[in-house]
Amino acid sequence: EVQVVESGGDLVRPGGSLRLSCTASGFTFSACWMHWVRQAPGKGLEWVAIIKGDGSQISYVDSVKGRFTISRDNAKRSLYLQMDSLRDDDTALYYCAKGAGYVIDFWGQGTLVTVSS
Amino acid sequence: DIVLTQSPDSLAVSLGERATINCKSSQNLLSGSDSRNYLAWHQQKPGQPPKALIYWASARQSGVPDRFSGSGSGTNFTLTINSLQAADVAVYYCQQHYSAPITFGQGTRLEI
Repeated sequence: EVQVVESGGDLVRPGGSLRLSCTASGFTFSACWMHWVRQAPGKGLEWVAIIKGDGSQISYVDSVKGRFTISRDNAKRSLYLQMDSLRDDDTALYYCAKGAGYVIDFWGQGTLVTVSS
Repeated sequence: DIVLTQSPDSLAVSLGERATINCKSSQNLLSGSDSRNYLAWHQQKPGQPPKALIYWASARQSGVPDRFSGSGSGTNFTLTINSLQAADVAVYYCQQHYSAPITFGQGTRLEI
């Protein structure tokens, strides 16, 4: 059974940092592209970042470029999102999602990030 | 960036009837290299994470009932849900998987 479980969400001050993690099971993690997608309270879905299975290709939405870093550790079957210089508008439920290239085929339950003073 | 615009924003359909949701892209999503349309659909039920339904505009993800079908090409796409059930109440999102940044439509709320 495919599973992805996010963790690391928390309340953080504006300008602060946070690292999200996603642990995967039930599929060949190293072969899969992985995504982070977020959803602000009561809003729609916003794609954040993607990383290829071997880590050789990475892409971000413009609003997080230079502030967020996606990475992975295939030995640990884990995906990460390092978030720096957090802003109020980064407040959202952050989903880890399994991909087949740019196709998203499985979503995690999400972890909540709240940026507030 | 590719902008996806869904219509309507919300709709109410009776049980057993058909629901139709549209998604219009600001750019052509039909690839000239493989003749595939790079458009997906996701379903998000209240209080739950999204669930992938369709990719390549018309290919169903594993386990998705055949009541759900996708169609369209180029810039205009449709998600059709036949024989509507109470469990289909959700927000439906289209998503382009043609190029980065990946983008979603604003969502369509389906009610019974």
